[in-house]
Amino acid sequence: EAQVTQNPRYLITVTGKKLTVTCSQNMNHEYMSWYRQDPGLGLRQIYYSMNVEVTDKGDVPEGYKVSRKEKRNFPLILESPSPNQTSLYFCASSRQLSYGYTFGSGTRLTVV
Amino acid sequence: QQQVKQSPQSLIVQKGGISIINCAYENTAFDYFPWYQQFPGKGPALLIAIRPDVSEKKEGRFTISFNKSAKQFSLHIMDSQPGDSATYFCAATYFGNEKLTFGTGTRLTIIP
Repeated sequence: EAQVTQNPRYLITVTGKKLTVTCSQNMNHEYMSWYRQDPGLGLRQIYYSMNVEVTDKGDVPEGYKVSRKEKRNFPLILESPSPNQTSLYFCASSRQLSYGYTFGSGTRLTVV
Repeated sequence: QQQVKQSPQSLIVQKGGISIINCAYENTAFDYFPWYQQFPGKGPALLIAIRPDVSEKKEGRFTISFNKSAKQFSLHIMDSQPGDSATYFCAATYFGNEKLTFGTGTRLTIIP
């Protein structure tokens, strides 16, 4: 089944403790992206990647890092999480935007 | 800067009625306007999309109306059903740019 897999689905952590949210797609898509979803703010792009080793900042990149060493994987790294990073995170991939994004099921992160 | 403004934030429609969600954009370079549908606990999924060379696109009960001069586009759901209850996001981008800018979302509830 074609899908984007995120792990974990739920995560509670403490301020300052480094964490990684994994994202993997099995559709051989070149384009991958991370979004965060907050009430009243919609979906805001954090980082995106056009291909392996090519990444760029989205609208809200502060406090996040990404890497794209393989085509299928695009992990999101929070080196020192803070409470304002408490959010619902989505990874997405696409072959080409006109074909639409395929989103993962989301990771709900709580930073206390 | 909110480049895509979406309204209303929430909408309640009776079963069989017409649901209308509106979006306005600022960047005249945008030339691809998709709508995404999100059910609770799931990631958004592409519903329907339009390019500005047409003023309307219809797929089943879902129609996008596009007004290029006003920089506005809207989603109409005809004969709304309880299964249409979800959050809807409009979005915009321009050809060659895989960065998708989302609106803030509309929570639609269809009541019997």
